[in-house]
Amino acid sequence: AQSVTQLGSHVSVSEGALVLLRCNYSSSVPPYLFWYVQYPNQGLQLLLKYTSAATLVKGINGFEAEFKKSETSFHLTKPSAHMSDAAEYFCAVSDRNQFYFGTGTSLTVIP
Amino acid sequence: EPEVTQTPSHQVTQMGQEVILRCVPISNHLYFYWYRQILGQKVEFLVSFYNNEISEKSEIFDDQFSVERPDGSNFTLKIRSTKLEDSAMYFCASSDERGRTQYFGPGTRLLVL
Repeated sequence: AQSVTQLGSHVSVSEGALVLLRCNYSSSVPPYLFWYVQYPNQGLQLLLKYTSAATLVKGINGFEAEFKKSETSFHLTKPSAHMSDAAEYFCAVSDRNQFYFGTGTSLTVIP
Repeated sequence: EPEVTQTPSHQVTQMGQEVILRCVPISNHLYFYWYRQILGQKVEFLVSFYNNEISEKSEIFDDQFSVERPDGSNFTLKIRSTKLEDSAMYFCASSDERGRTQYFGPGTRLLVL
């Protein structure tokens, strides 16, 4: 069975500070892992994905994530938060047929 | 850049009425999906569709729901008799390969009164 756990439903960081959004997964097959961002009143936009190539994945808007098999984690990071990063972030795992989403983490950036 | 589109963006309907949500997937994609997101909750899988048939569906996708690809471009989700609890944002997604990146549309916000 596949599942995703996102620790922390709300995260607040100061502008310019490190962003760390946590995601742990369980998967019965080698996982494909994704991070999506949802801005208010908008759809889901792909940030980055891991599909069994390099374990450190770089995405759009300065975000990156590292796949750690031993920890079953795929945490999302950004060195310096920007006001425009305020949004809902969803981690997802694919079992080759459907996506399983985490409950989401709402990121607030404090000026 | 190709994108998934959905219409309408918002729909308000009376309980018991039928609604059809429309999606135009990315043109060379073969795998299509519907998800829903109840306000404040996570995105939930409804159904996947490939080669003109349902490949997988969740427990949410009961007999009140159906999907169709009526022509070469549209992919629709029909709810036959809407219930209050069907109020949600419905997202369509498409993919060019099973299990690979899914590209999501902007969603249709459905409100059942």
